[in-house]
Amino acid sequence: EIVLTQSPGTLSLSPGERATLSCRASQSVSSSYLAWYQQKPGQAPRLLIYGASSRATGIPDRFSGSGSGTDFTLTISRLEPEDFAVYYCQQYGSRTFGQGTRLEIK
Amino acid sequence: EVQLVESGGGLVQPGGSLRLSCAASGFTVSSNYMSWVRQAPGKGLEWVSVIYSGGSTYYADSVKGRFTISRHNSKNTLYLQMNSLRAEDTAVYYCAREVRSSWTFDPWGQGTLVTVSS
Repeated sequence: EIVLTQSPGTLSLSPGERATLSCRASQSVSSSYLAWYQQKPGQAPRLLIYGASSRATGIPDRFSGSGSGTDFTLTISRLEPEDFAVYYCQQYGSRTFGQGTRLEIK
Repeated sequence: EVQLVESGGGLVQPGGSLRLSCAASGFTVSSNYMSWVRQAPGKGLEWVSVIYSGGSTYYADSVKGRFTISRHNSKNTLYLQMNSLRAEDTAVYYCAREVRSSWTFDPWGQGTLVTVSS
């Protein structure tokens, strides 16, 4: 089973700053199978990025994904107040999720 | 609009049973892969089970032999029958459609809380 490890566990930043979230796989995964989700308190997860780098419908272009093999990154170029949430990466093949990164307001 | 609405959660004693439902609109459940994903309080996401469009079913090891996923085609509804419930099954349970063109879970339902406690 592929294990996804996200870092950092918590990221404290201010609105307007750039956020870089990491997702590392225990073995190489197909970029096609790597997705990112955003979850706000009391809400279901929402799809942000699929295929490692493609934005889902309606997702602002300040969100971008990159990476290949075992290392993937979600970048939020300029944080808006509504971006503070928990972010999960997911590998479809084994239907596994990372443990999440909490993005909090500094 | 593509939408999923779960129901059936609640408080149940250890060893008890509960059946969750997930009503779909805007698409056909039986033509898609459909999954259940759960989230224990304050924890991350854990995939639980999937039913393929062809009817094959798969489960996480943590629930194998205790949970059963199924669907009712004419009601366009997904189910999760949960037996022999344990305290560690306490979680919000989400249903989600698997989109095979993008290898993602989208959309998700709003979730239903299952609490296993005496």
